[in-house]
Formats: sequence, structure tokens, C-alpha cells
Amino acid sequence: NAGVTQTPKFQVLKTGQSMTLQCAQDMNHNSMYWYRQDPGMGLRLIYYSASEGTTDKGEVPNGYNVSRLNKREFSLRLESAAPSQTSVYFCASVQRGGTDTQYFGPGTRLTVL
Amino acid sequence: AQSVTQLGSHVSVSEGALVLLRCNYSSSVPPYLFWYVQYPNQGLQLLLKYTSAATLVKGINGFEAEFKKSETSFHLTKPSAHMSDAAEYFCAVSMEYGNKLVFGAGTILRVKS
Repeated sequence: NAGVTQTPKFQVLKTGQSMTLQCAQDMNHNSMYWYRQDPGMGLRLIYYSASEGTTDKGEVPNGYNVSRLNKREFSLRLESAAPSQTSVYFCASVQRGGTDTQYFGPGTRLTVL
Repeated sequence: AQSVTQLGSHVSVSEGALVLLRCNYSSSVPPYLFWYVQYPNQGLQLLLKYTSAATLVKGINGFEAEFKKSETSFHLTKPSAHMSDAAEYFCAVSMEYGNKLVFGAGTILRVKS
């Protein structure tokens, strides 16, 4: 099992450009999450999907959109990137009702110039 | 709203010394508590978790944590630090089993030889 995979690993954007971060899990988990990590602030929840077909805002959703494409895949889109979105983005998944551990992907390091 | 406070953004110990990383949470109801570790340029890996089964929780790599309701604390300890323990450690809390984690700001552990 690959666990949680994320693409790309690194990305540099110019202000105003758009991009989609991809996340996939092969553990048949129901819930998936997008976090951003900034120095000294820990991880903050951007959006989550409790189950296929549902999405909800987290703590810092402004400037982002998400799509739960199917049970395996959960993408994060930046429509018009801003320098404040420079961060490391992590995707995670968990099987509700079974194991309670959130499994994290390796992260995407995004720089917006 | 829940919050997690990790005292000390940086902790430095000598190899072989006791490791103590502090975590306090704010919640009127005992939550689910987690410690994650992040090695440089990697995702987060679960160290241990408290889910009300036992107040002293043992995790991987010789780490353990004790849940103290009266102090609203969940401090992480390891009797003898190893160079390979150098990493960033995050305490996290959830009010729902495996859902919507709230993270502390993180503590970077440095191990001196």
C-alpha cells in the first residue's frame, strides 16, 4: 500500500495563477483532510470531507476550494494564488469507525511569488 | 473552541537525557489526544494516542505520555534521548474519534551529542 500520496511535491506559482493539489489514498478511508503548515503555527485545517460526496470548511478556507472526486481522491484548488498561500500543504485520511489515526501524505511545498 | 498549547517552541537535550515535551489542552470534556512526529521534509507520523482506555500511553520509539485530567495535560516523555529523536513534535486534540484534529504549534527537539 502506498498510503496517502500527494502531487506535486514542489510548486512555484506567480501571484494570480491557479493550480490544483492532488491527493489520493489507497486505504479505503472515509474521511480526508487538507492542512497547511506554517512555521510556529502547527497545522491548520483548510477543508475536510467526512465522506464521499461531502465537504466542509475548516479553520482557514478562504482562497481555496476542494473536490472529493471519489472515495480515494480529494483535491485542493487555489483559484488565484497569493503570497500568503506560500506554505506546505498536507493531505490526510482516516477510517471513521475503525482506526482513529489520521495518516498523512508527504506534503506539497508551494511558493507563491 | 478547542485549543492546544505546547510550551517551548524549541527544546534541547543531551543524548541520553530525559526528553519532556509539554502539551496542555483546553476542553471541558476529555478529548482524544495525539502526539505526532515530523522528521525534516517528511509528513507526520503518529507516535501515540490517548483514547480513554488508559491514562499512561506507550508509543513507538520508546516514547510515552500521561493523560492528566486535573491538569488538562498530555506531556510526552522519553527516558533517554537518541540522536535520531531530533524532529518536530506536534500535540493534537480531537473531540470526535479521529476527526478534525486541532494541532499545537509544535516543538522542535534538538539532541546534542
